[in-house]
Amino acid sequence: SYVLTQPPSVSVAPGQTARITCGGNNIGSKSVHWYQQKPGQAPVLVVYDDSDRPSGIPERFSGSNSGNTATLTISRVEAGDEADYYCQVWDSSSDHWVFGTGTKVTVL
Amino acid sequence: EVQLVESGGGLVQPGGSLRLSCAASGFTFSSYWMHWVRQAPGKGLVWVSRINSDGSSTSYADSVKGRFTISRDNAKNTLYLQMNSLRAEDTAVYYCARDGRVDDYGDYWGQGTLVTVSS
Repeated sequence: SYVLTQPPSVSVAPGQTARITCGGNNIGSKSVHWYQQKPGQAPVLVVYDDSDRPSGIPERFSGSNSGNTATLTISRVEAGDEADYYCQVWDSSSDHWVFGTGTKVTVL
Repeated sequence: EVQLVESGGGLVQPGGSLRLSCAASGFTFSSYWMHWVRQAPGKGLVWVSRINSDGSSTSYADSVKGRFTISRDNAKNTLYLQMNSLRAEDTAVYYCARDGRVDDYGDYWGQGTLVTVSS
């Protein structure tokens, strides 16, 4: 089955840039989606189709995808961005959604 | 406003059954594929199952295949997950999610319902 690997944690100072990677075999050929989940809350879609943002998501959230790595970038990080972030793809071979292992973003 | 409200969670003994519901409002439910995703305490998101818009096609994670059944009632705007032969490892918060496109991503999620399997 398809596996997506994320770093367990990323720490960043307020105002700086956080980059969260999502590794998968030839992930650049797939559409990657990203979710933010704060403690006790449901996931929220923050980026879809590699780099598009749903309405209401700040421009500070952006994404890219190439080769074996997709990246979620959070610019000008704020305290409110502290959360767990998950990447997700649809695996056509299994007809399943696949989620990454998740990354906890800590704002210092 | 799109709303998804799960219900039906609770404490159940190993080997028991439970049916979860997800009531949808604020959109044309019958036009969207729907998914169930679960999250064990302190763990990550795990996809469970999906159903297409008219209920004619379903898919399941290997871990629940043969034990769980996803279904929907488009007249009642409700998604279901029938869970049988429950195991301790099924303990999790179960979320329903609307598919923003066909089998692609979850654009709206419910608040989740907790299922605890324990004796």
